[in-house]
Amino acid sequence: AQSVTQPDIHITVSEGASLELRCNYSYGATPYLFWYVQSPGQGLQLLLKYFSGDTLVQGIKGFEAEFKRSQSSFNLRKPSVHWSDAAEYFCAVGFPQGGSEKLVFGKGTKLTVNP
Amino acid sequence: DTAVSQTPKYLVTQMGNDKSIKCEQNLGHDTMYWYKQDSKKFLKIMFSYNNKELIINETVPNRFSPKSPDKAHLNLHINSLELGDSAVYFCASSRLQGISGNTIYFGEGSWLTVV
Repeated sequence: AQSVTQPDIHITVSEGASLELRCNYSYGATPYLFWYVQSPGQGLQLLLKYFSGDTLVQGIKGFEAEFKRSQSSFNLRKPSVHWSDAAEYFCAVGFPQGGSEKLVFGKGTKLTVNP
Repeated sequence: DTAVSQTPKYLVTQMGNDKSIKCEQNLGHDTMYWYKQDSKKFLKIMFSYNNKELIINETVPNRFSPKSPDKAHLNLHINSLELGDSAVYFCASSRLQGISGNTIYFGEGSWLTVV
C-alpha cells in the first residue's frame, strides 16, 4: 500500500539557519511527489512537485527538494529560513486510482522558527 | 481570482444537525475532491468526482454525501452531524483524470466544529 512517512513531527530552527525536512515514501511504481505548506489557519499551498526528469526540483519561497529513488526519499530543503516559514509542511505521493488522482499525505512536520 | 473557493470558511453547529459545504473551481478542471484534515492535522481523501461522476469513495460514512451539479462544483452535505465530524474539510481540483502527476489545487478549507 502507498504510504508517506515524515519522521520529524516538530522541528525548531533559528532564523537564517538551513532547513531539511525528511520524507520517505512507499509506492511500487514511479512516484509523483509533492510538498505542501499550511500556515496556521490557512489552506494548503503547493511548494513544489516532482513528476520526472531532474531529481532536484525548485519550488516557491526558495525551497527545493531532491528525489532519491534508491532511498525512497524526497527531502525538502531551504538554505536560510525566514520567520515567515513557520508552518506545517506536508509531503504527499500522488497516484492514479479508478480514473482519478489520489494524494496520500504524510502526517506533517511542524516548523518553528526562533528569532 | 480564487481558483478553488469553498464556503463557509467557519461553521459551528450542534450535534444532529445537517449542514453543507459548497465548493467551486474556476480553473476549468475536470476532477474535484474532498479531503478531511482531522484534529491531528492528518489529511485524507474522502471523495473524488470527474465530470460529475463519483470516482473515489474512501469508506466514508453514508452521512456524508457529495453532490456535483456540474464539473465546476462539488458540494459536501453531512447529515446527523457527530462530534467526531469536527475537522477541516478541503475541496480540491485537478485536470484530466487518469493522468498521473496532475497537480491538485486546494481551497482554503472549511473549519467545521460540532458541539
